[in-house]
Parts: sequence; structure tokens; C-alpha cells
Amino acid sequence: EDKVVQSPLSLVVHEGDTVTLNCSYEVTNFRSLLWYKQEKKAPTFLFMLTSSGIEKKSGRLSSILDKKELFSILNITATQTGDSAVYLCAVKSSGDKLTFGTGTRLAVRP
Amino acid sequence: ETGVTQTPRHLVMGMTNKKSLKCEQHLGHNAMYWYKQSAKKPLELMFVYNFKEQTENNSVPSRFSPECPNSSHLFLHLHTLQPEDSALYLCASSQGLQIPGELFFGEGSRLTVL
Repeated sequence: EDKVVQSPLSLVVHEGDTVTLNCSYEVTNFRSLLWYKQEKKAPTFLFMLTSSGIEKKSGRLSSILDKKELFSILNITATQTGDSAVYLCAVKSSGDKLTFGTGTRLAVRP
Repeated sequence: ETGVTQTPRHLVMGMTNKKSLKCEQHLGHNAMYWYKQSAKKPLELMFVYNFKEQTENNSVPSRFSPECPNSSHLFLHLHTLQPEDSALYLCASSQGLQIPGELFFGEGSRLTVL
């Protein structure tokens, strides 16, 4: 059975801190790994990663994939209160199945 | 605005009621999905439709009945639900099943079963 594990489950930081969110996976025939941000209801897409070692970057957010060790990290630098959200990791495997982790709840305090 | 619209946003129903959730996507996508999100659990895939045809039913109880009349609309018909079915139901769409790309989610329908 495909499995996606995110850590930590929750995290509280202060504005300006840098955070690293982790996602490890065990799936059959990996195709891609996706990160989403869920603030209130609709998860919104952040990154899709398919190749190891290539960093994807968008502003203060960046992500990288390690297909050998089966994990990805999502980094957020100079955090702001608007970064407070649940960050979801999902892995696409054979049969186009998308398996989600439980998410990491990030709270950024002023 | 993600291009995926869900109604109603909130629904409270008794165990004997029949109601429906509606999803509409304005993105020209071919695949649509229903997900269930319960507290402290991963998003659970319920149903997948590709070009209006159901391609996956992830062992969902028959009290949930999906309907996809065309590639832009997806319904989830609910009847004789249980309190444990209370959750956020998210609809999503994607360009296609064979493309390992992103899902676009709606805002969700928060369902409470009394």
C-alpha cells in the first residue's frame, strides 16, 4: 500500500524564522511529488517535483526531491503570518493514483 | 478563485435525508475527483471520472453516489449517511489522468451529519 508520511505534524514559529517541512514516501512506480498549501478550504498548488536534486523555487519557498532516499523537503525562509497553513504532500504513482500525507500545520506568530 | 466551484459550502443533514453536492470546473479539464478530508487524516480519494467515465471507486460505501453528466460537472449524491461521514468534501479537476500534473481544488463542502 502506498504511504506518504509528513513531519512534523505541527509547527509554531515566529515571523522571520526559516522552516523545513519533510515528506517521505513509499509508493509503487513513483511518477511525481506535489506540494500544496491549504489555508482554509481549497488546497492550492505549490510545486511538482519529478527529478532528484533539482530545486524548485518560488519566492521564499523552495523544494527538492531525493528519489534515492524517498523524501522531499519544503523550505520557507523569512516566514510571514500569511504562511500559516496546512502544507500537504502528495505522491503520484502507478495507475495515476495520488496519495496524500496528513499534512504539516504551520503557525507563524507575529 | 481556482476555477473549480463547489456548492453548497456548508450542509447539515440528518441521517435519513437525501442531499447532493455539486462541483463545476471552468478549466476545460477532462478528469474530476471527489476527495474526503476528515480531521487529522490524509485526503482520501473517493471517486475519479475521466471524460465522464468513472475510472476509480475507492471502496466507497453505496450511500455515496457520484454522477458526472459531462466533463465540467460532478455531483455527489448523499443518502442515509452516518455521523462519521461528517467531513470536508473536496472536488478537484486535472487536465488528464495520464499527466502527472497538479490538481485544482474547489473550496469544499463542509458536511455535518446529525
